[in-house]
Amino acid sequence: ELKVEQNPLFLSMQEGKNYTIYCNYSTTSDRLYWYRQDPGKSLESLFVLLSNGAVKQEGRLMASLDTKARLSTLHITAAVHDLSATYFCAVDGYSGGGADGLTFGKGTHLIIQP
Amino acid sequence: SQTIHQWPATLVQPVGSPLSLECTVEGTSNPNLYWYRQAAGRGLQLLFYSVGIGQISSEVPQNLSASRPQDRQFILSSKKLLLSDSGFYLCAWSVGHEGEKLFFGSGTQLSVL
Repeated sequence: ELKVEQNPLFLSMQEGKNYTIYCNYSTTSDRLYWYRQDPGKSLESLFVLLSNGAVKQEGRLMASLDTKARLSTLHITAAVHDLSATYFCAVDGYSGGGADGLTFGKGTHLIIQP
Repeated sequence: SQTIHQWPATLVQPVGSPLSLECTVEGTSNPNLYWYRQAAGRGLQLLFYSVGIGQISSEVPQNLSASRPQDRQFILSSKKLLLSDSGFYLCAWSVGHEGEKLFFGSGTQLSVL
């Protein structure tokens, strides 16, 4: 059974600071996704990482994937209040047998204070 | 462009009542379709997925069922709701071009009282 663990689950930080969210998963996979969810809203896709060593950046967010370590990171640079949200990582345990969906972590609830 | 519609946005139902949530996708054909549930303080749990009309796979045993009567329509149902069915239900679709990147609907907040 594929397990996806995020840490921390809750993070409060000040504007202007840097921080990293970690996502570990339990099985071989080279497909990892990051999503953002605002309160009461649906999930918005942030990054798609499809190979070992993949790095993607969008604004103050940067995501990377190390498939050997089964680890992805989401790095926040010089945080701003608008980045306050819950961030989910999700792993595709696709093994060639069909489209059986993604397995999600529990999410990291991020609060950025002025 | 592709869009996904999910309704209703909010639903309050008594225990033991039936449920029907509907999801439709526009702008694509033969999508993979999914129902996820997000309980308070927890991650997303995959409930059902479908790779084609009439093809439904269930991930967890429960009193919910899903149907796909048309290519771009996915319905989540229950004959009798339980308190534990409360949660935020999300429909999603993918076409497998970027792995299984999912595109989510706006969600339905279900409260069973």
